Amino acid sequence: LAKTTQPISMDSYEGQEVNITCSHNNIATNDYITWYQQFPSQGPRFIIQGYKTKVTNEVASLFIPADRKSSTLSLPRVSLSDTAVYYCLLSGGYQKVTFGTGTKLQVIP
Amino acid sequence: DTEVTQTPKHLVMGMTNKKSLKCEQHMGHRAMYWYKQKAKKPPELMFVYSYEKLSINESVPSRFSPECPNSSLLNLHLHALQPEDSALYLCASSRTSGRGPQETQYFGPGTRLLVL
Repeated sequence: LAKTTQPISMDSYEGQEVNITCSHNNIATNDYITWYQQFPSQGPRFIIQGYKTKVTNEVASLFIPADRKSSTLSLPRVSLSDTAVYYCLLSGGYQKVTFGTGTKLQVIP
Repeated sequence: DTEVTQTPKHLVMGMTNKKSLKCEQHMGHRAMYWYKQKAKKPPELMFVYSYEKLSINESVPSRFSPECPNSSLLNLHLHALQPEDSALYLCASSRTSGRGPQETQYFGPGTRLLVL
């Protein structure tokens, strides 16, 4: 499975937009890019998924350039409750999903 | 209902004990998963069941024994565990066989296991 690389941690003030970038240089043609959020002592929660260009839902946007070697999760106007670990992963089917190391986002008042 | 439930929430066991973790979903999902997560690490896949049949075993030691009695239930039987097996055990499910790249996995809250 292709590997993903993310920053280990990020800090942001409340109300700011946060962008978390994930590198996946060896992404395969059939890989989708998926982001999960995990709070302490809870299971990961699906945030957003995309294949190319831009995807937006009620909580986040996902930007994927044409070469698909990276992706950026954008969280608009973060609040304290967005403090969590964010995982970028590639899912190419066949059930195997490998989580990357994750980015710990700390939102500061 | 998009909920995956896991019981118990916490479990303490000795190395000679036998215990079981239980996972349940009522979303009609046909793929179910067990993950192990150590502190400050990402979840690691252990087992996958697809249509009640074991489809992936990630070389997990035999002291962990999964079971899928029906499409809604997934168990993980534990026997003769070691202290290093202490972790958060997460269950997840996805809609079909999990073979599509767009399959979203829904996770339960996990069972926090401590092996003494």
